[in-house]
Amino acid sequence: DQQVKQNSPSLSVQEGRISILNCDYTNSMFDYFLWYKKYPAEGPTFLISISSIKDKNEDGRFTVFLNKSAKHLSLHIVPSQPGDSAVYFCASNFGNEKLTFGTGTRLTIIP
Amino acid sequence: GAGVSQSPSNKVTEKGKDVELRCDPISGHTALYWYRQSLGQGLEFLIYFQGNSAPDKSGLPSDRFSAERTGGSVSTLTIQRTQQEDSAVYLCASSSSPGAGNQPQHFGDGTRLSIL
Repeated sequence: DQQVKQNSPSLSVQEGRISILNCDYTNSMFDYFLWYKKYPAEGPTFLISISSIKDKNEDGRFTVFLNKSAKHLSLHIVPSQPGDSAVYFCASNFGNEKLTFGTGTRLTIIP
Repeated sequence: GAGVSQSPSNKVTEKGKDVELRCDPISGHTALYWYRQSLGQGLEFLIYFQGNSAPDKSGLPSDRFSAERTGGSVSTLTIQRTQQEDSAVYLCASSSSPGAGNQPQHFGDGTRLSIL
């Protein structure tokens, strides 16, 4: 039972353009949604989060959008930079509970 | 350093041996989590500690897996009689309490475990 899904295993975007990463979830109990970025041989690094009571959160080049009715969230990165090339995981939890992760999307920024 | 520290970074062992993995969380973080990532898979939850107690052990895959936390700080994950399917990267994370979206979990770099 995969409660968090990232249906695109990979995405290539030209430098300077917008990168859009998508995530779908099934558990309506989730109250926080997070995005993590992972480089090879390193642990995931927290990027940005959003509470279920909001529909948008912005931090510099990163914006997360939440559509609760569609159980969908997305991460927008603009403008995309070469250092953004990594695997991106969306994750969800409720309260102080375990994170449930998607399987990740490998983002490649083309110079 | 100020981050989550895990040791060893790599561990190769023979099938049937026991292994111990260590996690040193961020100072002051009361919540500690263990996850693992098998090849080509997402991160899979194993166990969660709040202080020294483990309110959620639901992710431990078998009774060969156990974990403890002492002094509200360091945690060890023990795998007994290792099997080849235990090969994975084992990740530890910590967060201040209550851990939530505004107090996210911070991860170490993991222990890459290979069972021959």
